[in-house]
Amino acid sequence: SQQGEEDPQALSIQEGENATMNCSYKTSINNLQWYRQNSGRGLVHLILIRSNEREKHSGRLRVTLDTSKKSSSLLITASRAADTASYFCATAPGGGADGLTFGKGTHLIIQP
Amino acid sequence: GAGVSQSPSNKVTEKGKDVELRCDPISGHTALYWYRQSLGQGLEFLIYFQGNSAPDKSGLPSDRFSAERTGGSVSTLTIQRTQQEDSAVYLCASSFEGQVQHFGDGTRLSIL
Repeated sequence: SQQGEEDPQALSIQEGENATMNCSYKTSINNLQWYRQNSGRGLVHLILIRSNEREKHSGRLRVTLDTSKKSSSLLITASRAADTASYFCATAPGGGADGLTFGKGTHLIIQP
Repeated sequence: GAGVSQSPSNKVTEKGKDVELRCDPISGHTALYWYRQSLGQGLEFLIYFQGNSAPDKSGLPSDRFSAERTGGSVSTLTIQRTQQEDSAVYLCASSFEGQVQHFGDGTRLSIL
């Protein structure tokens, strides 16, 4: 079953603009992860934020986590055509080696 | 080093047939996961192996699905008496000691 929802389901922006995607989840978590999936490929891990963290950066990525609202956001700054992909948030109940529960994803299209 | 390898990359079979999907995890990874990705259900966790422990089968959708992991390495996911609703992309992932999961590119299964 799906842990929660990402919104928007689809997002189309111009190259160079920033893209923001949101994720909500239902259960308590140990950490939350974001993954990217290019068409026809597997998922690639982008960033992990722990439940005691509020914000984390990695290159052009910025993730926030609000455990009181059970929500997270992923910001991609200065978007590039290569960022075109689907983005998923994922959680695991125990946070360790458990199977992940994914949201439905946001399909991001970067217009050149 | 090599990533997670899945075979076949595509499989077309007739309803009622059995299929076997194979996953070669990253060498040294202790945990192995199977997920299913379909348009209707999104990404679903199926089963998880950790070392020599009994697998967590909580996500398997029916008793037609089974999986094994031989020698703590290669895993096969078997679907017996396939149904059209089994059509999906089956993704395998591996991780080391509860760290980030690394995904293969999946097997696209089509049931005619």
